[in-house]
Amino acid sequence: TQLLEQSPQFLSIQEGENLTVYCNSSSVFSSLQWYRQEPGEGPVLLVTVVTGGEVKKLKRLTFQFGDARKDSSLHITAAQPGDTGLYLCAGGKYQAGTALIFGKGTTLSVSS
Amino acid sequence: GAVVSQHPSWVICKSGTSVKIECRSLDFQATTMFWYRQFPKQSLMLMATSNEGSKATYEQGVEKDKFLINHASLTLSTLTVTSAHPEDSSFYICSARVPGGNNQPQHFGDGTRLSIL
Repeated sequence: TQLLEQSPQFLSIQEGENLTVYCNSSSVFSSLQWYRQEPGEGPVLLVTVVTGGEVKKLKRLTFQFGDARKDSSLHITAAQPGDTGLYLCAGGKYQAGTALIFGKGTTLSVSS
Repeated sequence: GAVVSQHPSWVICKSGTSVKIECRSLDFQATTMFWYRQFPKQSLMLMATSNEGSKATYEQGVEKDKFLINHASLTLSTLTVTSAHPEDSSFYICSARVPGGNNQPQHFGDGTRLSIL
């Protein structure tokens, strides 16, 4: 059972466009992480959100955690070719030592 | 920031060979590490949770005798793919959670590309 639904799965856009990636669940998470992964490398942490309604900004990236802590979004403004990669959302549960639950990922391709 | 080192980064070997992959937390102690498998353009699939000093917890469908996990110290977990076959070829990634509570993020190694001929 996929507890985290991530959409869209693939996204191909032109440089300068804006985009939003969504991560939804029927489960409540204690935290939500967003990672970016390039081919042949491990995922790199972008942000962690823990409070319902929390908004965090990382340059052109804006992350939001839903009020009920069941969903999150990643918005990229004025996308650049360097933003190309696989974006993964991952939810953490309250239980100690439990692994993150990953969404299926969004493959983003930004062309110049 | 927290660093997780994974070695080797690339392995090519013959069918029937056993392959060991190491995962180290370089600047923090990790009582729990995680092993994932990833197919091209897909998300990470959790294989097992590695617990320091005790047996690993395997996800449903993962053969524990095939994928041996040892977490002998607070900074090292190893995954051994025993008698590897072509269908075991994949990208294997480990991660470790930074101490300090359940909301601490996991940091990932750079992965190991395993190719079985």
